Amino acid sequence: GENVEQHPSTLSVQEGDSAVIKCTYSDSASNYFPWYKQELGKRPQLIIDIRSNVGEKKDQRIAVTLNKTAKHFSLHITETQPEDSAVYFCAASIGGGATNKLIFGTGTLLAVQP
Amino acid sequence: EAQVTQNPRYLITVTGKKLTVTCSQNMNHEYMSWYRQDPGLGLRQIYYSMNVEVTDKGDVPEGYKVSRKEKRNFPLILESPSPNQTSLYFCASTRDRGNSPLHFGNGTRLTVT
Repeated sequence: GENVEQHPSTLSVQEGDSAVIKCTYSDSASNYFPWYKQELGKRPQLIIDIRSNVGEKKDQRIAVTLNKTAKHFSLHITETQPEDSAVYFCAASIGGGATNKLIFGTGTLLAVQP
Repeated sequence: EAQVTQNPRYLITVTGKKLTVTCSQNMNHEYMSWYRQDPGLGLRQIYYSMNVEVTDKGDVPEGYKVSRKEKRNFPLILESPSPNQTSLYFCASTRDRGNSPLHFGNGTRLTVT
């Protein structure tokens, strides 16, 4: 079936470095790609999203890039800070039309070392 | 404040004892869904609802039931819980299924012994 693969599963960086998390999807009709951040013991919260008609989107230290041809999208966090430590989930819409839904990646545990 | 409220936050029960986890949203969203989160497996959809009285199975529906009698409420029912249903559960709602952000509740950590 349709799925979303996310890598790496864990990522450790030094404070101030950049972090990159990558996801690939299988449904060529996917057109919506959100990223969620989940801090320990809390709910997932949307941090940025991108639609298929856009190749890149930025919001301060966070950016997402989308390559529709290769069916992959990435989250980029620059100048990482300890408060960026969390689990990050990517998701992609699949199905389209009445069956459209979001499928989530398996998550990346990001640890930012002070 | 726009939010999704689920209760309880923590629940410990025994095998076979029926339980209900409540979920309510105040954003007038038509679409609501339930997910379970397990280590290494991410968020997997259990059931979803497109509108009042319209529900359907997600990817892991076995052992669960839902109902949608009112637009704002979407309870998750475990008729006979088993230890493999020990997990972290999230309710979520959205304006437009698959095309707009999901708003998650605070989660319910369920332990079935």
